[in-house]
Amino acid sequence: GESVGLHLPTLSVQEGDNSIINCAYSNSASDYFIWYKQESGKGPQFIIDIRSNMDKRQGQRVTVLLNKTVKHLSLQIAATQPGDSAVYFCAEFSGGGADGLTFGKGTHLIIQP
Amino acid sequence: EAGVTQFPSHSVIEKGQTVTLRCDPISGHDNLYWYRRVMGKEIKFLLHFVKESKQDESGMPNNRFLAERTGGTYSTLKVQPAELEDSGVYFCASSHGLAGDGYNEQFFGPGTRLTVL
Repeated sequence: GESVGLHLPTLSVQEGDNSIINCAYSNSASDYFIWYKQESGKGPQFIIDIRSNMDKRQGQRVTVLLNKTVKHLSLQIAATQPGDSAVYFCAEFSGGGADGLTFGKGTHLIIQP
Repeated sequence: EAGVTQFPSHSVIEKGQTVTLRCDPISGHDNLYWYRRVMGKEIKFLLHFVKESKQDESGMPNNRFLAERTGGTYSTLKVQPAELEDSGVYFCASSHGLAGDGYNEQFFGPGTRLTVL
């Protein structure tokens, strides 16, 4: 599978703790922001998205916060589990006919037992 | 429902050779996207098909890359001739909806790892 963690920021948390993964985005005109999870050998898997007119959205054990003033996006994972170990990417959707996503560099989340 | 599938999962070729990657989108998805990730860098958009038409190919790196989607079903991405810097993981994604109608969730395949020696 694909190597993860090389050249990527790493966040190490204890099992059961909460994790916060941050992302700075570039395009203030982006319409949607999406968080993806990528496990070794697999493709990016959708976690949660948020529209630009919102500042918070909650899912199951995950919360995404959007701060448009400073162009910052965060993903909070509650009660981190071993299965949460993966690389997490934020992505932007700008629309207007350009439907390709713009991805951030990714953060490798490591869960300590 | 089957997800996005890609073939092969791995490909190792020598510089100057040709490689063709295949992507089968989720059935019924008109939108098909190609992305790639070179080692240590972010995932980059390559191009977007709507059915058999290229909607946006602004991310294609150069004319050594040729993508097709004849019949609007599966897509191929050919690299000819391959260079060392083409090594990376090539992802395909698909989504339903019409281009320009806003955001629709993109579902990704497992990727093809390409190594050019």
